[in-house]
Amino acid sequence: GQNIDQPTEMTATEGAIVQINCTYQTSGFNGLFWYQQHAGEAPTFLSYNVLDGLEEKGRFSSFLSRSKGYSYLLLKELQMKDSASYLCAVVDSNYQLIWGAGTKLIIKP
Amino acid sequence: NAGVTQTPKFQVLKTGQSMTLQCAQDMNHEYMSWYRQDPGMGLRLIHYSVGAGITDQGEVPNGYNVSRSTTEDFPLRLLSAAPSQTSVYFCASSYSPDRNQPQHFGDGTRLSIL
Repeated sequence: GQNIDQPTEMTATEGAIVQINCTYQTSGFNGLFWYQQHAGEAPTFLSYNVLDGLEEKGRFSSFLSRSKGYSYLLLKELQMKDSASYLCAVVDSNYQLIWGAGTKLIIKP
Repeated sequence: NAGVTQTPKFQVLKTGQSMTLQCAQDMNHEYMSWYRQDPGMGLRLIHYSVGAGITDQGEVPNGYNVSRSTTEDFPLRLLSAAPSQTSVYFCASSYSPDRNQPQHFGDGTRLSIL
């Protein structure tokens, strides 16, 4: 079967750095997305990786290792507004998105 | 720019009732999909469409029907509502999946079945 694993919940301090991990086992791989979802709202796109390595976009970076079936989202200089769920989704061999359950990130002052 | 518009935002139904959740997008996207989101679970694909006149089943299609008569609209029909269908429903659109473009989501419909 296909499986995406993410921690259920993480807590971090305002101004700090946090890394949210995602491991996957899917039938094929055609890319990996990270989305942010604030409580009661729709998911919004953060990043996309298809090649190994780090993609940086402002305070957010995303890393991919295809050989390890592993990605992480790195959030720097955390702000209270970063409190949200972060969803990892893998594009499988049929170009279908397989979603993880999401990681709820709690930012404390 | 409207993006993806879902209606209604909230709905309460009684078991056995039917209803249609509306979804429209104005981005000329080929690909549209319906998901349900339940606590502790990832987004689960109900049905999807790769273009007008073409629909296919996702992971959890039972109890739901869809149609795609135009590029813009992709309604989801609950045939006979059951309490297990209580969930938050999201419609999403994007360009063809093999172009690996991100999906754009509507604001969601919060549906309760009593």
